[in-house]
Amino acid sequence: EDQVTQSPEALRLQEGESSSLNCSYTVSGLRGLFWYRQDPGKGPEFLFTLYSAGEEKEKERLKATLTKKESFLHITAPKPEDSATYLCAVSGNTGFQKLVFGTGTRLLVSP
Amino acid sequence: DTAVSQTPKYLVTQMGNDKSIKCEQNLGHDTMYWYKQDSKKFLKIMFSYNNKELIINETVPNRFSPKSPDKAHLNLHINSLELGDSAVYFCASSQERGYTIYFGEGSWLTVV
Repeated sequence: EDQVTQSPEALRLQEGESSSLNCSYTVSGLRGLFWYRQDPGKGPEFLFTLYSAGEEKEKERLKATLTKKESFLHITAPKPEDSATYLCAVSGNTGFQKLVFGTGTRLLVSP
Repeated sequence: DTAVSQTPKYLVTQMGNDKSIKCEQNLGHDTMYWYKQDSKKFLKIMFSYNNKELIINETVPNRFSPKSPDKAHLNLHINSLELGDSAVYFCASSQERGYTIYFGEGSWLTVV
């Protein structure tokens, strides 16, 4: 069964203090690994899709990387507006339509 | 323009009642989903429809019945509501062969 584990559960950073979030996964035939951002009271907002080991994608202060067993979401010089829950999900052989999510990392960035 | 919209946003109802949540997407996608997020924030797929046809049904109780009148709409009807049904229900959509699933804002269901 496909599985996603995210760590840490919660992370508190000072503004400008860079860090990384981890997403470990087991999946039967990875088709894609997805990162989403979820603000309180909102739906998940798409950030990145990674398809194969070695792939990297960037967006503003965020950079996602992928290996055969895990993905990292690197946050460089975070700002308070980066505070949110970051969700990782995978889709495997069952197809792109079925995402299996981790429980997320709650990030709080203090000014 | 909201891409994936669902109504109502908040719903408080008594045990045993029947309720529906409606979802509409204006992205031109042909696949729609219902996901459930529990109190621990764990997000799990319930159903997936492609071109009005059910393609994923993840061992959800029979009390939950999705209905897709057309490609742009996917409604969720819940019979005989139970306390454990309290959760946030997210509608989502994607292209059939697309790699990105877009979520709505969620419907907060509280069963008392």
